Amino acid sequence: DAKTTQPPSMDCAEGRAANLPCNHSTISGNEYVYWYRQIHSQGPQYIIHGLKNNETNEMASLIITEDRKSSTLILPHATLRDTAVYYCIVAISNFGNEKLTFGTGTRLTIIP
Amino acid sequence: NAGVTQTPKFQVLKTGQSMTLQCAQDMNHNSMYWYRQDPGMGLRLIYYSASEGTTDKGEVPNGYNVSRLNKREFSLRLESAAPSQTSVYFCASRGLAGQETQYFGPGTRLLVL
Repeated sequence: DAKTTQPPSMDCAEGRAANLPCNHSTISGNEYVYWYRQIHSQGPQYIIHGLKNNETNEMASLIITEDRKSSTLILPHATLRDTAVYYCIVAISNFGNEKLTFGTGTRLTIIP
Repeated sequence: NAGVTQTPKFQVLKTGQSMTLQCAQDMNHNSMYWYRQDPGMGLRLIYYSASEGTTDKGEVPNGYNVSRLNKREFSLRLESAAPSQTSVYFCASRGLAGQETQYFGPGTRLLVL
């Protein structure tokens, strides 16, 4: 699986958009980009995933560059409850056999 | 619909003791996973089961065994606990293709003295 690089920490003002970058320069053609987050010591929570097109759901937007070597997770209106560690993961979606490799992620702090 | 449940929530063991961590999901998912998370680190895959009756090793399987008892339940056993196995253990499950999301349980905090 390709390796990802994320900044260790970021701050964002409450109500502003939080933009979390991720580099995955060695991603292969059949690997998806997944984003999960972990609040305190709870189990990770799925946010969004994509292959090459930009994706949006009720939680966030995922912007993947055309060369797929990097992506950005956007939380459009950050709230205090979005304070968490965010993990960017690349993995093959293989019908249950994908192995998600969690790095150390980005610790996002929302500032009141 | 409880999602993924894990028992116990917290456990203290002495070195050499054995125990089984239980995981169950009520979402009719085929795939189940066991991860561990050490302080300040990301999650590492211990074992996974792509479907009932199959299990495969993940990144850090040494010192652990698993059983996929049925479609709902996936247990993790420590035969002879060591202090290096002090960690938080998370179970997860995932549905069929097109449902790529892994759903995680609340975790079991294990301390081995």
